[in-house]
Amino acid sequence: KQEVTQIPAALSVPEGENLVLNCSFTDSAIYNLQWFRQDPGKGLTSLLLIQSSQREQTSGRLNASLDKSSGRSTLYIAASQPGDSATYLCAVSPGGSYIPTFGRGTSLIVHP
Amino acid sequence: GAVVSQHPSWVICKSGTSVKIECRSLDFQATTMFWYRQFPKKSLMLMATSNEGSKATYEQGVEKDKFLINHASLTLSTLTVTSAHPEDSSFYICSARGRDRYFEAFFGQGTRLTVV
Repeated sequence: KQEVTQIPAALSVPEGENLVLNCSFTDSAIYNLQWFRQDPGKGLTSLLLIQSSQREQTSGRLNASLDKSSGRSTLYIAASQPGDSATYLCAVSPGGSYIPTFGRGTSLIVHP
Repeated sequence: GAVVSQHPSWVICKSGTSVKIECRSLDFQATTMFWYRQFPKKSLMLMATSNEGSKATYEQGVEKDKFLINHASLTLSTLTVTSAHPEDSSFYICSARGRDRYFEAFFGQGTRLTVV
């Protein structure tokens, strides 16, 4: 059974810092990996989707990398802003069922 | 990306009543829909998977008589929480997958259910 772990569970940083959020998964036979953002009491906003054949994806200040063989992905946030404060979730879709399995998330607070 | 609309975004109901949550795919045909439940500070847990026109497949430990899922059309799935109790209070999120982009799931905004 696929297990997804996110480290750290919580992070509080001053504005302007570059951040790295980590996601690890136990079964490397994945189809894709997706990073989401969730604001308090809200649903999920998809940030980046990486196919298993890709190594990274970029969108604005966000960069996600994937190392399938080691079962790891990182989400890099450049020049963090208070508006980046949210919970970031990593979801892995296995080949076959393609049903996403989620980590518990990293709760990020960026203070001015 | 494709749009999935979930309604209502929040609901408060009395213990013992039933609540229906709708999940609609607005611009694509959703052949498969997933329902997740999120507990505080925990990951989203898959409750069930439904394919259009067939019965839902429930994950182990999920009471199918309590959480009724209907996927009657390619654009609508509903989750009905029957005889709700305070312990059913949670955040419920639906996800949909379409024919054309089968390998990518799109998520609704979620529904915050509070049972008093």
